[in-house]
Amino acid sequence: SAVISQKPSRDICQRGTSLTIQCQVDSQVTMMFWYRQQPGQSLTLIATANQGSEATYESGFVIDKFPISRPNLTFSTLTVSNMSPEDSSIYLCSVRTGGSSTGELFFGEGSRLTVL
Amino acid sequence: AQSVAQPEDQVNVAEGNPLTVKCTYSVSGNPYLFWYVQYPNRGLQFLLKYITGDNLVKGSYGFEAEFNKSQTSFHLKKPSALVSDSALYFCAVRAPFSGGYNKLIFGAGTRLAVHP
Repeated sequence: SAVISQKPSRDICQRGTSLTIQCQVDSQVTMMFWYRQQPGQSLTLIATANQGSEATYESGFVIDKFPISRPNLTFSTLTVSNMSPEDSSIYLCSVRTGGSSTGELFFGEGSRLTVL
Repeated sequence: AQSVAQPEDQVNVAEGNPLTVKCTYSVSGNPYLFWYVQYPNRGLQFLLKYITGDNLVKGSYGFEAEFNKSQTSFHLKKPSALVSDSALYFCAVRAPFSGGYNKLIFGAGTRLAVHP
């Protein structure tokens, strides 16, 4: 298992500003994943972050809007840039343990962003 | 393309009664299937998974799920529901050797409400 800490847990932001979410894991992991959960909806993968390489973004998500850093094997950040009310969501950091196909994901508590 | 469906937005059950949360999937090849639970204002918690072997999988908090290949289903069950089981439940599927980072696809979620 893995224990994941996310900061901030929640924030209220103004339109046009940017916010960086931090994710700290209690063990070294190869891959970290960032998900978005819009109000009342399921989880959508934003990007996969490998240490030492550029993040891989899913369709509909771009680096300019959601830049990701992965400086080491226990830490990652996701920035939500130039925010609009449509970015109001819960952003979740997760890691996978075990095999690349069989391992389950462990999630942080999430960062709930409200954009006014 | 892989997908997962949770046909019920909400399931209501009386405390002490058995509960079932439905999940069906579509994937090429043999699927890897997962159930997660999300309590209010919390991240997702892993409940159980099916990779191979016995079709009946037991997980956390007394939950179990049955893999049915012919019906492409992976329903979550519990013999006796507790009020504290009230939460949002997500089914997820991963196709092995699907390329990329073996992305986990989540269903829309089912809200379970257990009434005293």
